[in-house]
Amino acid sequence: QSVLTQPPSASGTPGQRVTISCSGSRSNIGGNAVNWYQQLPGTAPKLLIYSNNQRPSGVPDRFSGSKSGTSASLAISGLQSEDEADYYCAAWDDSLNGRVFGGGTKLTVL
Amino acid sequence: EVQVVESGGGLVQPGGSLRLSCAASGFTFSSYWMNWVRQAPGKGLEWVANIKQDGNEKYYVDSVKGRFTISRDNAKNSLYLQMNSLRAEDTAVYYCARGWNYENWGQGTLVTVSS
Repeated sequence: QSVLTQPPSASGTPGQRVTISCSGSRSNIGGNAVNWYQQLPGTAPKLLIYSNNQRPSGVPDRFSGSKSGTSASLAISGLQSEDEADYYCAAWDDSLNGRVFGGGTKLTVL
Repeated sequence: EVQVVESGGGLVQPGGSLRLSCAASGFTFSSYWMNWVRQAPGKGLEWVANIKQDGNEKYYVDSVKGRFTISRDNAKNSLYLQMNSLRAEDTAVYYCARGWNYENWGQGTLVTVSS
C-alpha cells in the first residue's frame, strides 16, 4: 500500500486527453510539491513534471500537472502511442521525513 | 551531458552485504542532493535514501534504517549505498538519481538477495 494513491491503470485512444490522479494527505501533497515520472517499458524513470506543474526542458507541452489541496493530477493531451508507459507521482512527506511515491499508473494507448 | 552510472549490484545471500556506487559526471556534483530509489521486480518505485550536498543530512525509508548507509565523496563525484543485513525483500533494481526532484536517473543496478 503506497502512501500516495493512484489508479492502477488508465487508457485512451490516440489524440484523446487522459488524466491520472494522485491522492495524498496534508503531510505530503498538502504541504509539498508534487513531481511526476514517466517510465517507459524496460527503461529508467524520467522526470516529467516537477513543482506541481513545471516541465523540464524537452518535455512536450502535451503533459501538464496540477495540484489542489491533497490531490494532484497529470494530464496528457493529444495522446500518442509512445506515451504508453507507467506514471508515478511523488512528494516529500513531512511526517515520514522521506519521499513517498504513488503505486504507479499503467497507461495503455488503445 | 549529465550522467549518473550505478555499479556494484549482484547476487548476495540473506544476511550479506553489498556496496553500491554511483559515478556522476557532467554537473557540479557537490551542488546537488543525491538519492537512491529502488524497484522490486514487477513493482513500483520506492525511495530508499537521500543525502544533502555536504553530506550532513541523510534520510532513510524505515525499512532500511540501521541496515543501509548512504554516503558521498564530493572529491570523487561519487555516491554510495552500503547495504548490510540484506533480506530477500531488498531484491530490486537500485537507481541513483540527481537532485531534489530526481532530474536525472541512472540505468540501475540489480541486487538479488537469495540463497
